[in-house]
Amino acid sequence: KAGVTQTPRYLIKTRGQQVTLSCSPISGHRSVSWYQQTPGQGLQFLFEYFSETQRNKGNFPGRFSGRQFSNSRSEMNVSTLELGDSALYLCASSLDRVGDTQYFGPGTRLTVL
Amino acid sequence: AQSVTQLGSHVSVSEGALVLLRCNYSSSVPPYLFWYVQYPNQGLQLLLKYTTGATLVKGINGFEAEFKKSETSFHLTKPSAHMSDAAEYFCAVSDSSNNNDMRFGAGTRLTVKP
Repeated sequence: KAGVTQTPRYLIKTRGQQVTLSCSPISGHRSVSWYQQTPGQGLQFLFEYFSETQRNKGNFPGRFSGRQFSNSRSEMNVSTLELGDSALYLCASSLDRVGDTQYFGPGTRLTVL
Repeated sequence: AQSVTQLGSHVSVSEGALVLLRCNYSSSVPPYLFWYVQYPNQGLQLLLKYTTGATLVKGINGFEAEFKKSETSFHLTKPSAHMSDAAEYFCAVSDSSNNNDMRFGAGTRLTVKP
């Protein structure tokens, strides 16, 4: 089975711009979670989608949003980028049952200048 | 809500020495516990996971972890460190009280000295 894929792998943007990141889960996985990883804050949960609905949400401002399509692929969007949004954004997919392993993609490295 | 504490943000061991990375969890219901490893500029890779049953869990690359309910701990060990074990390690917990929400510890960076 192919693993979780994320595109693009690297992205450079300037302050004020917006960005869209994409995640394709493992085939058959219906849950997709997004995380932001920075040296200072570590791994922080952004949100989780299941069956095209946001089921869980972390403590991030409304500039961070996401969606999930009927094929379980997911996108996250960050509007009005700030310098502090520079981070590794990780996507993880799982079957959904509680306790299921989350399988991570390689991440998208976003740099905001 | 569940939470995880990893004791020690940095651990340094010599090659061939025992690796011990500490993790304590908090959960109001029986937890599911995970250890992940992250190499530079990569995503997280599952090392092992505890659901129910045997409390000693064996994972990949010679790692194992023991679930101790009385101590609310899930420490990760490896008898003999290898240079390739140098990476960041994350402990995580999820439970049935909050759907599939998984909480990660702050991570422990393992350095292996030759």
